[in-house]
Order: sequence, then structure tokens, then C-alpha cells
Amino acid sequence: QKEVEQNSGPLSVPEGAIASLNCTYSDRGSQSFFWYRQYSGKSPELIMFIYSNGDKEDGRFTAQLNKASQYVSLLIRDSQPSDSATYLCAVFSGGYNKLIFGAGTRLAVHP
Amino acid sequence: GAGVSQSPSNKVTEKGKDVELRCDPISGHTALYWYRQSLGQGLEFLIYFQGNSAPDKSGLPSDRFSAERTGGSVSTLTIQRTQQEDSAVYLCASSLVKGSYNEQFFGPGTRLTVL
Repeated sequence: QKEVEQNSGPLSVPEGAIASLNCTYSDRGSQSFFWYRQYSGKSPELIMFIYSNGDKEDGRFTAQLNKASQYVSLLIRDSQPSDSATYLCAVFSGGYNKLIFGAGTRLAVHP
Repeated sequence: GAGVSQSPSNKVTEKGKDVELRCDPISGHTALYWYRQSLGQGLEFLIYFQGNSAPDKSGLPSDRFSAERTGGSVSTLTIQRTQQEDSAVYLCASSLVKGSYNEQFFGPGTRLTVL
């Protein structure tokens, strides 16, 4: 089992829809969780972080964390073609004492 | 600038040559990571420096790869006797690790091409 798992996609959604990206992790002691966006040919860019159970909203983005079920998700409301990118989930693992990345989910928003 | 910087941005080398890649982290960040990303692939962890602790070298793919971090700041990743399979983008990231706060910020990367 990988430490951080994501569906590779591509996840295709129409413009204006809600895109839902999911991530599961194996280290139950993990305390901090991050979502990065990576455009083709660019380096990853931090877009959201969440430390506590529940939802955290920032503009069109909502991060959701459920530590009991060991999953974290990212919702993108009113998806735009400019949101088309690979989204990387990252978890700070206490067991490994470092940030562990998932392989990423490719999102395609079509007009 | 305030962000992570890396140099060179592009490096083309011949098979068998040694290369050095440089990373200058955000000032005050105690943690520094090196990753490798091949075309269309995910991030491959290479090495992690945290403060004065011994580095976590568990991701280095072979003994041709080494890295050092001088004075807790600038880091150099060295690849000896480069091979074609070393061609990739090498990314550096830094973070301020304080309790559970450890947001990681990436540099622009160095694209390495081994001919």
C-alpha cells in the first residue's frame, strides 16, 4: 500500500461544474495535509493546506479532512479551463518525519 | 527574491560527466527537499535535510547521487557519471518546520538532459 494514494485520472469536468479530487493516506498519525497544483512544465504550487478535521474554504477551493477515515479531498467550485492541471496531495507523515506526495490527479476542465 | 531559487534552469551534459545542481531555499527555512520528476511522472523523493539532523537519503537512486547543505542554507545535488536515465527535472523545496506547520515551497526546477 502506498503512503498517499490518488486516482491518476484524468478527471474530466465541464466548465462551471464542481471538481472533486480525493486522496487517502496510510499513516494515521499524520497531522498536516496539503494540496498542490502543477501546470504542465511548471513546478508545484501550494494552493491549500488543512490541519483539522472538517472543511476549509478559500475562494473556489474547499479542502475536506476526515482523519478517522484517513482521507482528504479538494473541491473546486465553478471549475474553469484554467484549473486544468495535475493536483498533488501531500501528507506530512510523523512516521517518516517528512512530506509524502501522492502521484497526482490530472484534471481537465472543458468548455 | 523571496522564493526558492535553483540554478541552472537548464543543463545539458554528456553521458559520463558529473553535474552539480544548486538550490537556495527561502531564508530561515530549516527543511530542504530534493525531488526528481521525469516527463509525465509524479515527484520522486531524493533527499531531505532538516536543521542539524542527519539527512534522510532514503530516496537517492544510486551512489552516483549525493547532496550537501552548507551552513544550513544552500544545497548542492551532485550526480556523478551521469546516465541518460538521469534526465529529468530536479526540484528543490524548502519549508519552515515548526510543530505541525510545514508548508513546502518549490523552486522552478533544473531541467537536466543527458545526451
